[in-house]
Amino acid sequence: AQSVTQPDIHITVSEGASLELRCNYSYGATPYLFWYVQSPGQGLQLLLKYFSGDTLVQGIKGFEAEFKRSQSSFNLRKPSVHWSDAAEYFCAVGAGNTDKLIFGTGTRLQVFP
Amino acid sequence: DAGVIQSPRHEVTEMGQEVTLRCKPISGHDYLFWYRQTMMRGLELLIYFNNNVPIDDSGMPEDRFSAKMPNASFSTLKIQPSEPRDSAVYFCASTPGRTYNSPLHFGNGTRLTVT
Repeated sequence: AQSVTQPDIHITVSEGASLELRCNYSYGATPYLFWYVQSPGQGLQLLLKYFSGDTLVQGIKGFEAEFKRSQSSFNLRKPSVHWSDAAEYFCAVGAGNTDKLIFGTGTRLQVFP
Repeated sequence: DAGVIQSPRHEVTEMGQEVTLRCKPISGHDYLFWYRQTMMRGLELLIYFNNNVPIDDSGMPEDRFSAKMPNASFSTLKIQPSEPRDSAVYFCASTPGRTYNSPLHFGNGTRLTVT
């Protein structure tokens, strides 16, 4: 069965600084990987996904993520954070033989002006 | 499109009472998922349906929980009897196809408080 770990519970950055949120997965074959964002009081919204091809994927709102098989990682990055990026971010992993999507415990991002 | 609609937004009930959460998926979406979110355990998949048929209910905590999807436009998650440890935000999500190729569309959730 697949699993995913987000080692950072809470991250604080200054507006304009770069950002990297970590995600590690466990799955025997090639996984499908996703990043979702959750604003307070709302459901989750898809930022980007990877399931094949180019290991560097671009998403909405200027986010990107890189799939590194050797490190079992799928870290989310943004070169310059905006105050509106403050939210909770979830990494998720799926597998080809099921439609179950397993989410990490999330990383809460706080942005200081 | 109105998106995934969940009701109620908030539910407060006493221990032992029956609770029913409702979800209307996006029209045309063949898959429906129920998730539970808590501080301690994060987002847990409870059950998901494909074409109204339950496919995987291995995440349902115990027999007190049941979910149904009587038609393509409606699903319920029922807890009977409810307990304080069931307090959480319950999300419904739908997608038009396989999850590796189709993003989940989440509702705004139902915040359940059991006293």
